Order: sequence, then C-alpha cells, then structure tokens
Amino acid sequence: GAVVSQHPSWVICKSGTSVKIECRSLDFQATTMFWYRQFPKQSLMLMATSNEGSKATYEQGVEKDKFLINHASLTLSTLTVTSAHPEDSSFYICSASPTSGSDYEQYFGPGTRLTVT
Amino acid sequence: AQSVSQHNHHVILSEAASLELGCNYSYGGTVNLFWYVQYPGQHLQLLLKYFSGDPLVKGIKGFEAEFIKSKFSFNLRKPSVQWSDTAEYFCAVARYGNNRLAFGKGNQVVVIP
Repeated sequence: GAVVSQHPSWVICKSGTSVKIECRSLDFQATTMFWYRQFPKQSLMLMATSNEGSKATYEQGVEKDKFLINHASLTLSTLTVTSAHPEDSSFYICSASPTSGSDYEQYFGPGTRLTVT
Repeated sequence: AQSVSQHNHHVILSEAASLELGCNYSYGGTVNLFWYVQYPGQHLQLLLKYFSGDPLVKGIKGFEAEFIKSKFSFNLRKPSVQWSDTAEYFCAVARYGNNRLAFGKGNQVVVIP
C-alpha cells in the first residue's frame, strides 16, 4: 500500500517549452502533496506544498509563475515547468500525505528527470 | 531557516561492520525527525521516525536511531550491515505541527560483500 507514481519518469524538452509532471497516489487519498527538487549530490529541496482544492504554498525563492502546481483531486497533483531553461534541468520528486493517516507521513514517488536542451 | 547536516557523504564498509550516520539540525524548538533510505533505482522509503517518547527509535531492517536533544542530533545506527544495505540515506526534520520536511544532503553507503 501507499504507492505514489510519477509520470513521466524522464523527459527531455527544448528551451522555452513547458513540461507537465504528474504525481498520483495510487491506493490512498492525499490531502497534501509536496514537490521537491534534487540536484546531483545535493539534498531534496522542498519547492511547494499543495492541498487539494486550494492554491499551493511555495517555499521562499521558488517562482510560482514558473512552477505551476495544480492539485485538482485527492489523488493527483501536477507540476508544470513553464518556459523551461537549461537551469531547470533537475530531478523532481513528489510526495503525498494520506488523508486518513498522520499529517507527518509522506510517501514518495520515484521522481522525474527533466533535461532542458 | 532550519538546516540539516549529514557528514561523511560517502561511506564504504564491509559486510558485518557496524554503521553509524550522523545527523544534526539547527532548529531549537520541538521537532519531528526522520530517516529515509533510497535503494539504487528506487524511491525514498521511510526507515524510522521520532515524534516523542523513547529517544531510541527502532525502524525497519535492523536500523535504529537515537534522538539526543541536547546535541540536536538524530544519529542512525545498524550493528551489522549487509550488502543489501547499499543505498543513500537521508535525514529529515520537520518542525512540530508542520509537515514540511528539510532534508540533509544524504549519505551514500556502499557495503562490500
């Protein structure tokens, strides 16, 4: 149980285009989903927290107009990287907190490798 | 902002050796503490967590961690590692009442058979 999937697992796009990454909780409902970014040999950096049906809360320094987050249902959150540039190339990981569990439980997806050329 | 420090990013040891990974955090208030593991090619999984109570926490696969409040530390230990423990280990901290996690940079552990 408590499986989180991400799609796609990797994507290559051209500079200036937009890319959408999906995060799904497969066997539970998630009130809260989180988006992280991980650079090589660095830690996971929390980008934003999204709650179903409301606007995402972005961490300091994260551009909300560049990283659009939508959490339209209890099982799906999407991250859209708009007008992507090479510096946006990174590993993006989502996690989800079950609605019925502790607020502190987070189950992680496998991540999406984004390469912007 | 709170920070989480993990030292010795790369650790190489032989099977049956003991493992200890250090984790220190900077936040002075009440915290919730976590260790996550990421096996090669897999997603992050929770090893163990501390919210309150006994500061010695036992997790899956023989791992344990000890919370020492005075040292702002939450070190991870395993008395005898196996080859299958080869993975990256991340310490994470959340302020009490807040589910936003701050991660350390991780420890890449390689166990030689």
